[in-house]
Order: sequence, then C-alpha cells, then structure tokens
Amino acid sequence: EVQLVESGRGLVQPGGSLRLSCAASGFTISNYWMHWIRQAPGKGLLWVARSSPDETVTTYADSVQGRFTISRDNSKNTVYLQMYSLRAEDTAVYFCVRAPITPDAFWGQGTLVTVSS
Amino acid sequence: EIVMTQSPRTLSVSPGQRATLSCWASQSVSSDLAWYQQKPGQTPRLLISAAYTRATGVPARFSGSGSGTEFTLTISGLQSEDLAVYYCQQYNSWPFTFGPGTKVDLK
Repeated sequence: EVQLVESGRGLVQPGGSLRLSCAASGFTISNYWMHWIRQAPGKGLLWVARSSPDETVTTYADSVQGRFTISRDNSKNTVYLQMYSLRAEDTAVYFCVRAPITPDAFWGQGTLVTVSS
Repeated sequence: EIVMTQSPRTLSVSPGQRATLSCWASQSVSSDLAWYQQKPGQTPRLLISAAYTRATGVPARFSGSGSGTEFTLTISGLQSEDLAVYYCQQYNSWPFTFGPGTKVDLK
C-alpha cells in the first residue's frame, strides 16, 4: 500500500526554522518527482518545491526561494523540506506529493506548520 | 509567474444541472492545465490533466476544454458528491500555479 506520512508539524516563532519529513512506503521515491505543496488555513494551494528523481533538479516558489530546501534520502525513502527564516505567511498545511500531475499522483495527509509569536 | 484566475468564486447548482467553471491564465500555458477537486477535510484529487484528459476513475460527467489562456471544466448532471472546491493549475512553466478556486454548492 502506498503511503506518504509527513511529520515535523509544530508551532515556531517568526524567524525560526523547522524541518518537515515525508516518509514513503509502498514505492521507491527514487523513481519519482517529489513535491511539497502547501495550503494556508481556509485558503488556496501553493506549489512550494519539487525535486527530480535523481535530485539534480530542485525548484522553488519565489516566495520561499533562498529560505526553503527540498532534499531526499533515497536510502531512507524519505523526502525533507528544511525551512528557515519562517514568516507568519508560511503558516499552512504542508503536503508531500508524489508526481502530482500523473496517473501515479499520490498526496500525503499533510502536516500543519504554524508560525506565530 | 503565470497568474491563474477562476470564475465564479462560488457556483450554486441544482442537482442534475450542469456546472460550468472557468479558468484563465495570464499568458499561454498551451494545454498544460490540470483541474483538481478538493472536498472539506480531504486532499486535492486530480480530475483532469492536459486540459481535457480525465484521470483514472474520474466519472465521465467531468469534462475539460480549452487551450492557451482560457479553460473550462464542465460537470454534466451535478451530483451531491460533487460539492467541493475546484482548482485549476498550470504546469507549463515553473513556478506551477493554482487558481484561487471555485466552490460548488447546492442551490
């Protein structure tokens, strides 16, 4: 059974850091593009970052460029999102997503990040 | 960045009627356009990719059309289970961007 389980949720102060993890099972992440997409409470969707299967291509939304880093450990079958210099507007549910626009699309249930003092 | 716009923001439809949702891109995205359905408390579900190709398991009452900058999602014969927010999304150029969504509810 395919699963994506995000962890790392929490409350962090503005300017702080947080690392999200996305543990995959039932498939091998090294065969797929992996993405992070977020949704602020009651709001729409924002594509945050993506990573190619071999990690040679990583791209970011303008609003997180230079502050967030997507990475993966294929040996652990896990994708990460390291977030620095967090702002209130980064408050959202963060979804880990496998190949979103393909027949293999699969979304994790998401993890809530709250940035507040 | 390509800006996606959707109209209307809320659409009230009677069961069995047709719902027509519109989406515009600020510049051409060719046919690199997807539609998602999100029900309350659930993750988004891919309905349509490449502007008109239904994803696996999506009922035939959902159809997509358009290219370039103007796109439409049509739900023919709305059912109660179709009540949700629908997002269009372009993947022609990075950053991929979503529209603000159209909420479909019952009249």
